[in-house]
Amino acid sequence: DTGVSQDPRHKITKRGQNVTFRCDPISEHNRLYWYRQTLGQGPEFLTYFQNEAQLEKSRLLSDRFSAERPKGSFSTLEIQRTEQGDSAMYLCASSLAVGYGYTFGSGTRLTVV
Amino acid sequence: QKEVEQNSGPLSVPEGAIASLNCTYSDRVSQSFFWYRQYSGKSPELIMSIYSNGDKEDGRFTAQLNKASQYVSLLIRDSQPSDSATYLCAVIYSGGSNYKLTFGKGTLLTVNP
Repeated sequence: DTGVSQDPRHKITKRGQNVTFRCDPISEHNRLYWYRQTLGQGPEFLTYFQNEAQLEKSRLLSDRFSAERPKGSFSTLEIQRTEQGDSAMYLCASSLAVGYGYTFGSGTRLTVV
Repeated sequence: QKEVEQNSGPLSVPEGAIASLNCTYSDRVSQSFFWYRQYSGKSPELIMSIYSNGDKEDGRFTAQLNKASQYVSLLIRDSQPSDSATYLCAVIYSGGSNYKLTFGKGTLLTVNP
């Protein structure tokens, strides 16, 4: 068990480009979450998977954001046509079951220039 | 809108003192409560979970929960400079929220040598 892995750790992109992040959860965890965190704020919920099913997506998430979790294993988060306001730390977490605390990955820090 | 409120701080305590961190939440139908520690530039790390009223102790950390007052706190005894971090309170709301974690903005704790 190597914990939750996220790739890349850092991403700098030009405004308007598309970016994709990957998350590998702890293998026995069937619940996977994406959060976004900006400076001075707590993590903000983006979306959630149970196995391969995406069960909830934040109303704050624009149509430029999409997430997948094929075969209930790793997950990807794609941001299309990035904007400067997308600059943030994108955190992936997984949990074993309902009510359990989450284990977070190291995060992907996105900077849009 | 489910909310978790924390004083942003900073909270400054001398080494060896007790640090007291507080959190209130808005929804009485809440099941699980967590404290995460986040060092600057790093991802959140789970340090305590509490599910029922009363105190829960783990080493130098004690979590306290009062559901009637919708209040949860974290005490850190014998504070060390290495405890300097942002402490995030998080709550799992039940009832249609897919049991996802909602975070407060965090309290910055500084322990002075």
